[in-house]
Amino acid sequence: TQLLEQSPQFLSIQEGENLTVYCNSSSVFSSLQWYRQEPGEGPVLLVTVVTGGEVKKLKRLTFQFGDARKDSSLHITAAQPGDTGLYLCAGFKNNNDMRFGAGTRLTVKP
Amino acid sequence: DAGVIQSPRHEVTEMGQEVTLRCKPISGHDYLFWYRQTMMRGLELLIYFNNNVPIDDSGMPEDRFSAKMPNASFSTLKIQPSEPRDSAVYFCASSSRGAGGNEQFFGPGTRLTVL
Repeated sequence: TQLLEQSPQFLSIQEGENLTVYCNSSSVFSSLQWYRQEPGEGPVLLVTVVTGGEVKKLKRLTFQFGDARKDSSLHITAAQPGDTGLYLCAGFKNNNDMRFGAGTRLTVKP
Repeated sequence: DAGVIQSPRHEVTEMGQEVTLRCKPISGHDYLFWYRQTMMRGLELLIYFNNNVPIDDSGMPEDRFSAKMPNASFSTLKIQPSEPRDSAVYFCASSSRGAGGNEQFFGPGTRLTVL
């Protein structure tokens, strides 16, 4: 059983559509990160959120940390083929006690 | 900076053979992490080092796995003997201030296939 549950597991959409992916847990985290991983490469950090209720924007990507610091969401507006990849969330309970979710595999079709 | 360097990128071996994976972290980073990624289990932390010292190896699956960091610029992950269930992509990552809330820089990974 994953400590961090990501949903959906797979998502295939058309270019221009909006989407939201989720990262949920029953545990409280001191911080949470989102990474994107492209085929044949390692994950690359997108954002770190540390405060309950925090919202961060990165161009067309909006990240939200739940008020209770147990969950997070990633919303992409007007998705583009370049957004295709595996989106991973990682939760931190203390400095180096961390867990990764299994990821959401996103495909954006032109 | 060249980023985290891993070698080899691909390794195919037969069951029972010894496998050694190598990692060069980003210069100046004091933390080094080894991960394993599979479709079934996702990305799992195996072990991490701080200033070349192993801090937490609770993720190492069994005694067949061992990791060393003889100096600040080099680490190895060894599997002996290897088994088919060890087939996965192994990532090395480094960080300047530990993992909690800080950015980890991942290498490109080593895809291991054990026949």
